Amino acid sequence: GAGVSQSPSNKVTEKGKDVELRCDPISGHTALYWYRQSLGQGLEFLIYFQGNSAPDKSGLPSDRFSAERTGGSVSTLTIQRTQQEDSAVYLCASSFIAEPGNTIYFGEGSWLTVV
Amino acid sequence: EDQVTQSPEALRLQEGESSSLNCSYTVSGLRGLFWYRQDPGKGPEFLFTLYSAGEEKEKERLKATLTKKESFLHITAPKPEDSATYLCAVYNTDKLIFGTGTRLQVFP
Repeated sequence: GAGVSQSPSNKVTEKGKDVELRCDPISGHTALYWYRQSLGQGLEFLIYFQGNSAPDKSGLPSDRFSAERTGGSVSTLTIQRTQQEDSAVYLCASSFIAEPGNTIYFGEGSWLTVV
Repeated sequence: EDQVTQSPEALRLQEGESSSLNCSYTVSGLRGLFWYRQDPGKGPEFLFTLYSAGEEKEKERLKATLTKKESFLHITAPKPEDSATYLCAVYNTDKLIFGTGTRLQVFP
């Protein structure tokens, strides 16, 4: 596609429910990143994929968070048993490859509110 | 540990009043410094990447410069449509590490 596509754009969920956030990267991009941005805060790295592998998942805040990528394209970020502190914008980004010299492009984000 | 600090946190300018935003960084071997613009409710929009001290890049009213310890985003004769949060990030091995941004407001 023309840009990084994320869905849903907005999600309100009850505390304790599971949520899935989807990211469709730019066509041909092999690297895919997930970031989280809380209100008024900077972007916090969660995990990145090169192809279907996740070489760096050091930013996942707890074992309630997981992500997968299949077919080297679409990725899903899953948050189990959501808590109010999970409320944030979840941003997905992609680049041609995860190496310097490659621009990283972001989607518009999925706004998650846990009530 | 790689770190990025941006200042000021917020900046209010009159239209046409030029200024600069600062991004200080500590990184073990700079492999790229990125500037993004973020409008409210939107994802970050790529502006520039700088790789070595002395490098400069321009786009319309924006010019980014880089030294060994910091980067500046110079805004010349800003317009209200330049109002946004400007984010700086350094490339760390395989991902970007972001600062918390400078929120710029330009008033007519």
